[in-house]
This record gives sequence, C-alpha cells and structure tokens, in this order.
Amino acid sequence: SQQGEEDPQALSIQEGENATMNCSYKTSINNLQWYRQNSGRGLVHLILIRSNEREKHSGRLRVTLDTSKKSSSLLITASRAADTASYFCATGHTGANSKLTFGKGITLSVRP
Amino acid sequence: GAVVSQHPSRVICKSGTSVKIECRSLDFQATTMFWYRQFPKQSLMLMATSNEGSKATYEQGVEKDKFLINHASLTLSTLTVTSAHPEDSSFYICSARDSGGRQGPNTGELFFGEGSRLTVL
Repeated sequence: SQQGEEDPQALSIQEGENATMNCSYKTSINNLQWYRQNSGRGLVHLILIRSNEREKHSGRLRVTLDTSKKSSSLLITASRAADTASYFCATGHTGANSKLTFGKGITLSVRP
Repeated sequence: GAVVSQHPSRVICKSGTSVKIECRSLDFQATTMFWYRQFPKQSLMLMATSNEGSKATYEQGVEKDKFLINHASLTLSTLTVTSAHPEDSSFYICSARDSGGRQGPNTGELFFGEGSRLTVL
C-alpha cells in the first residue's frame, strides 16, 4: 500500500521560481527521504530527514518534517530547467534491511 | 556517491522466454538489495527484498516462481523473469544499501541502478 502521498501530482513553474512539493504519510517512520527521477532513468537520492529533525537544507533544497501532521515538504529554490523531473518521497523505518515505501511522485516541469 | 550498475538497460524478448537482469554494487557491499517495478508515470512498486546468501523476501502478490531472485555475492543480485509475457513489460529498477563502510546500514539511503526496460512481444 502507498505510504507516501505527494501533492500536487504535477507542478509547472517558471525558471527562477521556487517549487514546493508536499508529502503525507500514514504510519510512524524513522526517516523520510526525497528522490528524483529523470524520465526513463533510475532514482537519485536527494535528502534524508530523520523523525527527530524538523528541517534540513542541502544546497537549493530545503526539507521540512512535521511528525504530528505526518507530512513533509520539499522546497527547491531558484529552480532551473534542469530540475525538471519526477520527485518521490519515501518513508523508511529502522533496521539495515528495512524497505522504503515510495509515494506516487510529483512531476515538476520548469519552463526556461 | 555509491554506484549501482544495472544491466541490460533495455531488452526485448519473445513471449515465453526468460530474461535475466543483473544489479551490481560497484564500490560497496550490499547484503540487501531491492527490486522494484515501475509502470509509466507511476510510482515504484517493491517486488522483493534480495538477501545475500539466503532466500529473497517477496511482497504480497508477487509470484516468486515467476520472478526468480538470486543474491549469490555481496555485490550482485539477479532478477530472472521466467516465461515472460507481454504483461510483464515494465521498467525494473534495483537498489542497494551500503551494508558496511562509509555510510553504514542505518543511514537509510538507497542507491539505485539506472533501470532495465523490458518489452515482451
């Protein structure tokens, strides 16, 4: 079953604008991760935030986590055309063999 | 970052044949690898967890005799789609977690292969 549910499902913005993508989940988690997928390619890990963290930054990325609302957001600042891709949130649990459960993904289009 | 190599990237086969897809961790050891299936414009569906030296753990609804998984070494897992049919056409992606070394097993991050697009005629 789907754990993460992203919204919006599709987002189109102008280059230079900020893109905000949201993810909600249903059960307790150890961490939440965001991945990026270019069309027809594998996934690339962007950022991981642990359940005891509220906010994390990495370059132009900012992730927040609200465990009380079971939601996370990914903000991409000063977007570029190269940011065009699908973005997935994934929830993780403790343990070396723990699997990730992916949401349905958000398609981001950045117009040059 | 860690590299996972997946091969072949594309394969076309006739209905009834078997296809093997390889997933290798190139610069780290992975006691656990994961196999996903992705339909166009959809999310990744976990098929099975591949465990080095032991049987794979399949998700509910995934036929283990249809999708054979072998994880014979710490750097290689294979997925064999047996007696493939057109409905098996999909994008198959493997991922691995660094089970030792730099990042340790509990960081949570997965490293993905580039995927294998299977088309069954």
